[in-house]
Amino acid sequence: NAGVTQTPKFQVLKTGQSMTLQCAQDMNHEYMSWYRQDPGMGLRLIHYSVGAGITDQGEVPNGYNVSRSTTEDFPLRLLSAAPSQTSVYFCASSYSEGFYNEQFFGPGTRLTVL
Amino acid sequence: GESVGLHLPTLSVQEGDNSIINCAYSNSASDYFIWYKQESGKGPQFIIDIRSNMDKRQGQRVTVLLNKTVKHLSLQIAATQPGDSAVYFCAENTGGFKTIFGAGTRLFVKA
Repeated sequence: NAGVTQTPKFQVLKTGQSMTLQCAQDMNHEYMSWYRQDPGMGLRLIHYSVGAGITDQGEVPNGYNVSRSTTEDFPLRLLSAAPSQTSVYFCASSYSEGFYNEQFFGPGTRLTVL
Repeated sequence: GESVGLHLPTLSVQEGDNSIINCAYSNSASDYFIWYKQESGKGPQFIIDIRSNMDKRQGQRVTVLLNKTVKHLSLQIAATQPGDSAVYFCAENTGGFKTIFGAGTRLFVKA
């Protein structure tokens, strides 16, 4: 199994540009989530999904959209990039509803917004 | 509000010694706690977890202790090795699908 994969690894955007961060998992996990990690801070939840067709907001959802059309994929869209969205983004998945189960994280996407 | 914090931002230990990384949490309703390890340039990796109905749980070279009275969590690493050098996060699950992560403690292992 490849586990959780993310593309791209690095991305530089200009303010106002849009882009999609890709996330895929091959473990047939129902639960997937997106986090951002900023220096000196823990991971903060952006959006999550408990299954195909079901998504919900996390702690810091503003400026981001998600969709879940398949069990495997959970893309994160930045609608109009802002410097405040400069961060490292991690996608994670787990095989149940999140309670009492570990999350598997991807390698991350390092995003810089100029 | 809910928060998960760490007592020390960095910890330096000698190779072969035991390491103890501490964590405080503020939500007494949290019932699931997890420790993650994050190496440079990689995503967090699960180490060990513990439910609130337990005080202690052991894994391979790692032990997690939970003190619900003072809302304190610790990770003990036995015989610390250079490969243990990383940032360690504690996290709490406060219900549903939302996990709150602490800021992390960086562990340095001196050879």
